[in-house]
Amino acid sequence: EPEVTQTPSHQVTQMGQEVILRCVPISNHLYFYWYRQILGQKVEFLVSFYNNEISEKSEIFDDQFSVERPDGSNFTLKIRSTKLEDSAMYFCASSYSTGNNQPQHFGDGTRLSIL
Amino acid sequence: GEDVEQSLFLSVREGDSSVINCTYTDSSSTYLYWYKQEPGAGLQLLTYIFSNMDMKQDQRLTVLLNKKDKHLSLRIADTQTGDSAIYFCAELSSNTGKLIFGQGTTLQVKP
Repeated sequence: EPEVTQTPSHQVTQMGQEVILRCVPISNHLYFYWYRQILGQKVEFLVSFYNNEISEKSEIFDDQFSVERPDGSNFTLKIRSTKLEDSAMYFCASSYSTGNNQPQHFGDGTRLSIL
Repeated sequence: GEDVEQSLFLSVREGDSSVINCTYTDSSSTYLYWYKQEPGAGLQLLTYIFSNMDMKQDQRLTVLLNKKDKHLSLRIADTQTGDSAIYFCAELSSNTGKLIFGQGTTLQVKP
């Protein structure tokens, strides 16, 4: 069964450094998402992406964050200057459409640790 | 605003049924989902229900939806030790297409 893959599984970065989290969505999916889960808290929506542009973003997704689909297969989340509070598990998801019996499928996540 | 709430912990004995409950606030949600997270793993889609349904059964899983009370439940029949995990309820925001998650219920299955 096709799946969403994320790399790396764990990323350790110094505060203030840039980090790029990578995702390969399911190949025929058109909608892409990033969520994050801070330890002990709920999974929170960050951003959705469709047709090469952001369709929705949360208030968490400020100017330090950006997303890109650099080629036909990868979907990346960049954090420009990381802060301690960016430490979390970051999940990528994809879906063929929004709702309409087409659920979002998630990757295994990237654990980001900011030192 | 949109919010989803779940109880944090449930412990059952192997072979018993487990019932995990969830409440949500967005009455216009079209789909509601259950995801399972095993230790160190991602969010695995278990099942989902469309808002015009009251019940959906899929092998050992039964989802019940009470739209009036905005209450969703997941029943796992004949619970096995392999069912031990965190179970997340999520609603699909009708306006934005994003998922809004509950805090997750940790299911502990005792042999």
